Amino acid sequence: RKEVEQDPGPFNVPEGATVAFNCTYSNSASQSFFWYRQDCRKEPKLLMSVYSSGNEDGRFTAQLNRASQYISLLIRDSKLSDSATYLCVVNEGSGGYQKVTFGTGTKLQVIP
Amino acid sequence: GAGVSQSPSNKVTEKGKDVELRCDPISGHTALYWYRQSLGQGLEFLIYFQGNSAPDKSGLPSDRFSAERTGGSVSTLTIQRTQQEDSAVYLCASSPSRADEGWTSGNTIYFGEGSWLTVV
Repeated sequence: RKEVEQDPGPFNVPEGATVAFNCTYSNSASQSFFWYRQDCRKEPKLLMSVYSSGNEDGRFTAQLNRASQYISLLIRDSKLSDSATYLCVVNEGSGGYQKVTFGTGTKLQVIP
Repeated sequence: GAGVSQSPSNKVTEKGKDVELRCDPISGHTALYWYRQSLGQGLEFLIYFQGNSAPDKSGLPSDRFSAERTGGSVSTLTIQRTQQEDSAVYLCASSPSRADEGWTSGNTIYFGEGSWLTVV
């Protein structure tokens, strides 16, 4: 089993739709979790951290389910500008030493 | 600058030549990562530096690849005897660690814009 797994997609959704991505991780001791966004031929950029209690930033909601070892990202009212690849990131490290693993990403295409 | 800086941004080299890619992390960040990404593919971990600890080199694909980090700041990734399959974008990233300022709930990783390498 891969350390971090994501459905590669692509997810093709119409503008205004709600779309959700899941990401599973194998190490139950993982410490912190993030969603990154990567546009074509650009570097990944932090979208949001994922907190145990769940967190929301505008149209984006991230949740963590430690029991089932997955994190999710929900995008409401999709915009054309949301088209990108969304990377799940899991940090298994603690203290000063980090072990960061990126998923291979889920591609989202929002269509007019 | 405030972000991770990489140079060169683009490099075209002939097969068999050596190349050096440079990364200047965010000031004060003790963690530095190198990744490789081929077109349309996911990120491939190469190497991780954390402070004065021995680097995690487990992702380096062959002994043609090496990296060093001098003075805990700037890092150089060297590819010897380049091959066409080395063509990719090489991304450097840095993050604070728990002992650093900037730690919040986890180590946010900040990427540079990458060095696009083409081996012809």
